Parts: sequence; structure tokens; C-alpha cells
Amino acid sequence: KQEVTQIPAALSVPEGENLVLNCSFTDSAIYNLQWFRQDPGKGLTSLLLIQSSQREQTSGRLNASLDKSSGRSTLYIAASQPGDSATYLCAVGETSGSRLTFGEGTQLTVNP
Amino acid sequence: NAGVMQNPRHLVRRRGQEARLRCSPMKGHSHVYWYRQLPEEGLKFMVYLQKENIIDESGMPKERFSAEFPKEGPSILRIQQVVRGDSAAYFCASSIYTPGHSQETQYFGPGTRLLVL
Repeated sequence: KQEVTQIPAALSVPEGENLVLNCSFTDSAIYNLQWFRQDPGKGLTSLLLIQSSQREQTSGRLNASLDKSSGRSTLYIAASQPGDSATYLCAVGETSGSRLTFGEGTQLTVNP
Repeated sequence: NAGVMQNPRHLVRRRGQEARLRCSPMKGHSHVYWYRQLPEEGLKFMVYLQKENIIDESGMPKERFSAEFPKEGPSILRIQQVVRGDSAAYFCASSIYTPGHSQETQYFGPGTRLLVL
């Protein structure tokens, strides 16, 4: 059974700092991995999707990497801003079109 | 292209009543997923449907819960005889599947927050 863990559970940083969020998964036989953002009381916004054959994806100030063999992914946020404050969720898809298994999330606070 | 739509956004029910949650996927999407987020917990998969078919319901509680995605109209998640423990945010996601195409991002709706009194 796939299990996804995110560390740290919460993170507070000053504005402008670069930061890394970590995600690990127990079964390396994954199809893809997605990073989402969830704002309080809101739905999920997809940030980046990495296919199992890829090593990283970039979008603006965000960079996600994937090391399938070690069961790890990281989300790097450059030059953090207060608007980046949210909960970041990592989710693993195990086969094409299948369910996603989510981590518990990292609650990020960027202080002005 | 409108995103995934869910209604109602908030639903209050008394114990023993029925709750019906609706999800309209993005235009052209034929795959729908339901997830539940209990208070202070992560999202848990419930069910995966394609038009008129349940593909994977391994995350659905065995009793009181059912889901459908008819040929016409939205997907419905139905909870009969609700209990306080059903209070949660229920999220719907949709995706498009094209054989041989690798991008299968799931797009999430805003969720329905169910409160059982």
C-alpha cells in the first residue's frame, strides 16, 4: 500500500527566502507525481506534474524534482512571497488514470 | 473553459438525513474522482468513475455511500443516513485521458463542505 509523507508539517520563513519542501513515497513504482497548493477553505490548485520518466519540472519560481528510485520528490520555491502562504500537497499516481495518494501536506507561512 | 464545478459549496444536514453532492467535470473530461478531507487530515481517495461506469471504488465506505456518473449530467456522491463523522470536505477532480498521451493532471473543484449536526 502506497504511503506518502511530507516533511516538515509546517514551515515559517521570512519573505525572500528560498525554501524546499520534501515528499517521500514508499512504493517507487509510480506513474506520476503532482504538487498542489491548497488555500484555507478552498480547493486544490495543481502546480506541477512530473511523469515517472522525468527528473524535474519548472514553472516560474517553482521547481519540482523526482528521484523515483529513492522514493523522493522536492518542491523548491525561490524568492518566497507572502502570497505563497498555503498548504502544499504532494500526491502520487500509481497507474495511468488512477487515483492519487496524498501526503498530509506542509503548511507554509511566508512572513512579510 | 470552466473548471470543475461542485455544488453545493456548503451543506448542512441533520443526522439520519441524506446528502447529495454534485460534480460537473471540466468540458471534455470523462474521468471523475471523489476525495474526502476529514478535519485536520489529508485527502483520501474514495471512488473513480468514467461515464456510466465505476472503475475503482476501493476507498468508499462499504455502507451508506454511493456514487454515479450518468451519461448525461453531473456526477453524484450520495451519502445516506449521515452521521457526524461524515462531516468533511468532499472534493471532486476530473481528468482527460487520451491513449498514448502522458499528461493526466487531475483538476480539482472547490469542494463541498458537509456539516452534520
